[in-house]
Amino acid sequence: EDKVVQSPLSLVVHEGDTVTLNCSYEVTNFRSLLWYKQEKKAPTFLFMLTSSGIEKKSGRLSSILDKKELFSILNITATQTGDSAIYLCAAISNFGNEKLTFGTGTRLTIIP
Amino acid sequence: DAEITQSPRHKITETGRQVTLACHQTWNHNNMFWYRQDLGHGLRLIHYSYGVQDTNKGEVSDGYSVSRSNTEDLPLTLESAASSQTSVYFCASSESNRGPVTQYFGPGTRLTVL
Repeated sequence: EDKVVQSPLSLVVHEGDTVTLNCSYEVTNFRSLLWYKQEKKAPTFLFMLTSSGIEKKSGRLSSILDKKELFSILNITATQTGDSAIYLCAAISNFGNEKLTFGTGTRLTIIP
Repeated sequence: DAEITQSPRHKITETGRQVTLACHQTWNHNNMFWYRQDLGHGLRLIHYSYGVQDTNKGEVSDGYSVSRSNTEDLPLTLESAASSQTSVYFCASSESNRGPVTQYFGPGTRLTVL
């Protein structure tokens, strides 16, 4: 059974801090890993990672995948209160379908 | 602009009633998905479809059904609602698996079964 585990489950930091969110996965015939940000509504797409070691960056957010150790990290530097959200990690297998297996998410709270 | 919509956004129903949640996308995506989201479980896949007349069971499909009569819509039906089905339901869509695998989510439907 495919499995995605995120850690920590929740994290509270002060504005300006840097945070690292973790995602490990066990997926048969792994294809890609996706990160989503979820505020009070639907998840919004952040990154898709398919190749190992290539960092994806978007402003203060960056992410990298390690396909050997089966994990990914999401970094947020100089955090702002608007970064407060649940961050979801999802893995997709390469069986010709697009079913995503989601982790339970990391709830990030940024204190002003 | 293309989008994915869900209706109703909020629904309260009673145990044993049949409930249908609508999902409509205007991207012309082949693939559509239904998830439920509960505390401690993250997003779990209920049913999915790769095209018209195609439906497949996900990991938590018991008590739910879907039908795909056109590309734009994938309604989710709870045949006999149970309190355990109180949840937030998200619909998502994506292009075929030859292209990007990003799934785009609808705004969600909060369902309460009393």
